[in-house]
Amino acid sequence: AQTVTQSQPEMSVQEAETVTLSCTYDTSESDYYLFWYKQPPSRQMILVIRQEAYKQQNATENRFSVNFQKAAKSFSLKISDSQLGDAAMYFCAYTGLGNNDMRFGAGTRLTVKP
Amino acid sequence: GAVVSQHPSWVICKSGTSVKIECRSLDFQATTMFWYRQFPKQSLMLMATSNEGSKATYEQGVEKDKFLINHASLTLSTLTVTSAHPEDSSFYICSAPPGGIAGVETQYFGPGTRLLVL
Repeated sequence: AQTVTQSQPEMSVQEAETVTLSCTYDTSESDYYLFWYKQPPSRQMILVIRQEAYKQQNATENRFSVNFQKAAKSFSLKISDSQLGDAAMYFCAYTGLGNNDMRFGAGTRLTVKP
Repeated sequence: GAVVSQHPSWVICKSGTSVKIECRSLDFQATTMFWYRQFPKQSLMLMATSNEGSKATYEQGVEKDKFLINHASLTLSTLTVTSAHPEDSSFYICSAPPGGIAGVETQYFGPGTRLLVL
C-alpha cells in the first residue's frame, strides 16, 4: 500500500522568509500524482500545488514550488516570501494514475511569525 | 475552480439518532465522491468511495451498516451516520474529482461537517 510520510509535525518561519516542508512517499507504481493541500483553521482543504510523476519539471504556483525527486520518492514544498496567511496545516498527498484514492501524510503545522 | 459543498456545516445530535450529511458538486458532475474522517489534530482518513449508480466501497475497518452512503445523482452523495454514538463525533469531509483540465486525480474538498454526538 502507498504511504505518505511527513516527518515535521511543526515548522515555523519568519514573515517574508522561505520555508521548506518535507514529504516522502512509498509506491511501486511508475505513474502517479502528488499534491500539497493547505488546511487553515476553517478546516477547508485547499489545493496548493500538484505534480505529475511523469513530468520531470518541478511544479510552481506563484510563491509555492516543489522539489520532486522521483528516485528518492521525495516531494518537498517550498514557500517563498512567507505571509501570515500561509499559516495552516499542510498535507502532502498521493494518488495513483486513474485511481482517485488519495492518501495523506500526517501533516505539518506551519506557523508564520510577524 | 471546482466547488464542492457540504450540508450541514455542523450538527449536534443525541446518542442513538441518525444524522445525514450531504455532499454536492456545484459546477461539475462527479461519478465518484470520497468521504473522509478527521479527528482533531490528525490527518484525513478515507472512509469510503461513493459511486454513482453502484454500491459504495468501504475502507477496511469502516462499518458499512453504520455509515450508509448513497450516491443519488451525479452531483450528490449522502453519508448517513446511523445510531450515532459519542465516538462518532468527528469532522467529516467529502471530496470529488472534477475531471477535465484538473484531471480525475485531483480532489476538490467540501468545507466539512462537524458532528458532535451527545
